[in-house]
Amino acid sequence: QQQVKQSPQSLIVQKGGISIINCAYENTAFDYFPWYQQFPGKGPALLIAIRPDVSEKKEGRFTISFNKSAKQFSLHIMDSQPGDSATYFCAEDAGGTSYGKLTFGQGTILTVHP
Amino acid sequence: DTEVTQTPKHLVMGMTNKKSLKCEQHMGHRAMYWYKQKAKKPPELMFVYSYEKLSINESVPSRFSPECPNSSLLNLHLHALQPEDSALYLCASSRVSGGTQYFGPGTRLLVL
Repeated sequence: QQQVKQSPQSLIVQKGGISIINCAYENTAFDYFPWYQQFPGKGPALLIAIRPDVSEKKEGRFTISFNKSAKQFSLHIMDSQPGDSATYFCAEDAGGTSYGKLTFGQGTILTVHP
Repeated sequence: DTEVTQTPKHLVMGMTNKKSLKCEQHMGHRAMYWYKQKAKKPPELMFVYSYEKLSINESVPSRFSPECPNSSLLNLHLHALQPEDSALYLCASSRVSGGTQYFGPGTRLLVL
């Protein structure tokens, strides 16, 4: 079974700091890499996503960096805020040929201290 | 509007009960999904419907029975569940299979 390896499992950052979460994938057929943010008691919400033909994508304080040769991608949260405290999941989607089957990483619990 | 709604929010059922979970979206999406999420774990795909047809069943036990009556509605019928089936059940939809998936808030199920 294809896996997405996500690290770290948990992360504690001070307010204003940079949070970095990393993911590594195996299947080069994957062509869509979303990041989801999940608050306790809520469903996951799409945060930002990237395709492998792009090396970096930025939306506000959130940036995805993609390294196709290393089969790795990471989420950077700049100026981290207490409201960013949540669980973050990276995921892979092979696209239409696999009917949108998302494979999730194990998740990172982010805590941002005031 | 990118809202997926799920009812009920919470459900407690005995092992002999029959219950159903409901999911609804009005975004015109043609792919809908059921996921199961245990505490501190990622969502696990259960079923995928594409254009109202079941396209993926991830070897889910038959005590879970999905149904897609129309393009806006997805049900999950539950029968003779086990305590280990207690989890958060998430519904998601996307414009087509392989597109960005939007998740509902989930139904928290407890099987006694």
